[in-house]
Amino acid sequence: IAGITQAPTSQILAAGRRMTLRCTQDMRHNAMYWYRQDLGLGLRLIHYSNTAGTTGKGEVPDGYSVSRANTDDFPLTLASAVPSQTSVYFCASSAEAGGLYNEQFFGPGTRLTVL
Amino acid sequence: RKEVEQDPGPFNVPEGATVAFNCTYSNSASQSFFWYRQDCRKEPKLLMSVYSSGNEDGRFTAQLNRASQYISLLIRDSKLSDSATYLCVLLYESTFGDGTTLTVKP
Repeated sequence: IAGITQAPTSQILAAGRRMTLRCTQDMRHNAMYWYRQDLGLGLRLIHYSNTAGTTGKGEVPDGYSVSRANTDDFPLTLASAVPSQTSVYFCASSAEAGGLYNEQFFGPGTRLTVL
Repeated sequence: RKEVEQDPGPFNVPEGATVAFNCTYSNSASQSFFWYRQDCRKEPKLLMSVYSSGNEDGRFTAQLNRASQYISLLIRDSKLSDSATYLCVLLYESTFGDGTTLTVKP
């Protein structure tokens, strides 16, 4: 593994189903992030984690939950998917949280369609 | 008012042209500014950071104007491969602009 991986690459999901998007990084970064990107718009922060064992809410957290049991993994769960959660989901990581010049590295994204 | 605002474009320019994008931000306390590049809704990749007054990397120059609360990205001698969406980012706040789309044509 090099960098950040996400799974699945894409998914079509029936409304009401539960879904977990996976994210794994091998850079030993402390901070990790989940964003969603709707068509024609920028990225919006869903949840973040400054270090293993801690999580926080971003701009659009409703309907999503995260966990950070270890440094490498940061799964995002949709408890009961709704069509408005149709989007591209990007996971990112940075060496540290809160630093002014900590570049965020992004995974390839998961394209999720909720019908 | 949105925290970060960008002109969505699209900017359509010929090869070799010079093009500039602006990005305005609303929080005067913001200190950490970056430009990311995104191709066809693939993952964003860091283009350059913006330190103090500005930063230059080859054909790309980024400048910061704190008094007017905007940052700019200047691309000289545009290449076809520069066609992409350019995202203005307040990285400390994890806040992204909606992006400016650039198409460079032969």
